[in-house]
Amino acid sequence: TQLLEQSPQFLSIQEGENLTVYCNSSSVFSSLQWYRQEPGEGPVLLVTVVTGGEVKKLKRLTFQFGDARKDSSLHITAAQPGDTGLYLCSYSGAGSYQLTFGKGTKLSVIP
Amino acid sequence: EAGVTQSPTHLIKTRGQQATLRCSPISGHTSVYWYQQALGLGLQFLLWYDEGEERNRGNFPPRFSGRQFPNYSSELNVNALELEDSALYLCASSLDEGKLNEKLFFGSGTQLSVL
Repeated sequence: TQLLEQSPQFLSIQEGENLTVYCNSSSVFSSLQWYRQEPGEGPVLLVTVVTGGEVKKLKRLTFQFGDARKDSSLHITAAQPGDTGLYLCSYSGAGSYQLTFGKGTKLSVIP
Repeated sequence: EAGVTQSPTHLIKTRGQQATLRCSPISGHTSVYWYQQALGLGLQFLLWYDEGEERNRGNFPPRFSGRQFPNYSSELNVNALELEDSALYLCASSLDEGKLNEKLFFGSGTQLSVL
């Protein structure tokens, strides 16, 4: 099983600030997914990145897949309290039909 | 359209007891996955069911078991509960198209507390 390292583990910022969280591994992935889990809820898929160097935008969220397909980042512009949650990256291993998740970055955006 | 529903929302048990958790997938979804989310450990894959069969199992002891019913709903059973079984148990469903499916739809989970 490949390991996904997410950093930072915790992040507390003021509303309006920008932030970047990371998902790293020593292994190459065919794709990576980003999920957000709000308190008291299950994770919700935000995006899947497939191509090395790919950049996807979802409103104020920008996702990037590393050129070598070993890492990914999520950048949030002008964070809002509604962005508060646990951000998880995940991958599907070769020959596997389930997702493996990193431990996540817990983001708190203070009004 | 209803999402993935799980019951109960909270469950309190004592050590040695048995717990049963239930999950109803999104209508039309045939695959059900169970994950354990314990503090500090992240989401750990438990079980995958599709078309009534157990397809894969994570690194958990045999006292974690389950089944999938003809209507694709699923049950997770945990026998001989231990304190470290305290966690949020998440169920997810997906369309099984005979290939790897990365888009899971999660329920809100059952918070199991073992005292």
